[in-house]
Amino acid sequence: LAKTTQPISMDSYEGQEVNITCSHNNIATNDYITWYQQFPSQGPRFIIQGYKTKVTNEVASLFIPADRKSSTLSLPRVSLSDTAVYYCLVGDAWPPGANNLFFGTGTRLTVIP
Amino acid sequence: EAGVTQFPSHSVIEKGQTVTLRCDPISGHDNLYWYRRVMGKEIKFLLHFVKESKQDESGMPNNRFLAERTGGTYSTLKVQPAELEDSGVYFCASSPGTPPFSYHENIQYFGAGTRLSVL
Repeated sequence: LAKTTQPISMDSYEGQEVNITCSHNNIATNDYITWYQQFPSQGPRFIIQGYKTKVTNEVASLFIPADRKSSTLSLPRVSLSDTAVYYCLVGDAWPPGANNLFFGTGTRLTVIP
Repeated sequence: EAGVTQFPSHSVIEKGQTVTLRCDPISGHDNLYWYRRVMGKEIKFLLHFVKESKQDESGMPNNRFLAERTGGTYSTLKVQPAELEDSGVYFCASSPGTPPFSYHENIQYFGAGTRLSVL
């Protein structure tokens, strides 16, 4: 059973802010939200993680509304190098496993010059 | 600090042969994970080691797959005998944290993967 729903693909022009929303209607109390980025021929790379409200780091921001049934990854001023697949994972930290480490199809972001 | 390294980066074998994939986690990471993506499908969890012990191997597809982590350091994933449907990319990841860890301790660091082609 898929725990998350993301758009399959998105296009954006360089320099724009990109927001990728992930739906997770059945999120459990102990679940947290993690986003990974994957470039071709590489493994996924951790971007950001959060439980509620807003989290910001040097790469992105993560917005989580009070009901936690969705989350939005925000990439400020994207560049061509941000073209990648972005995965939203929802799950409890322990125990990890197939249910908590479900990558889904991800969102393929294409940044256009 | 060295990241997660996987070897080989690409392996081409014939159906029925044996292949062994290796993963070296980040030094000091007790948790090691194997994943795979086959034929353009989703990345799927295979198993999780805590040190040398298998914590969860529920994602292993069948008994042709054997994962080991001797001494709690590097890990190997052996496929014997390989079948056509085993073709795909096998990823390894590691994370710090002592079980049962909290979410901020389970950020996983992935290797570049091994692309396995079974002909």
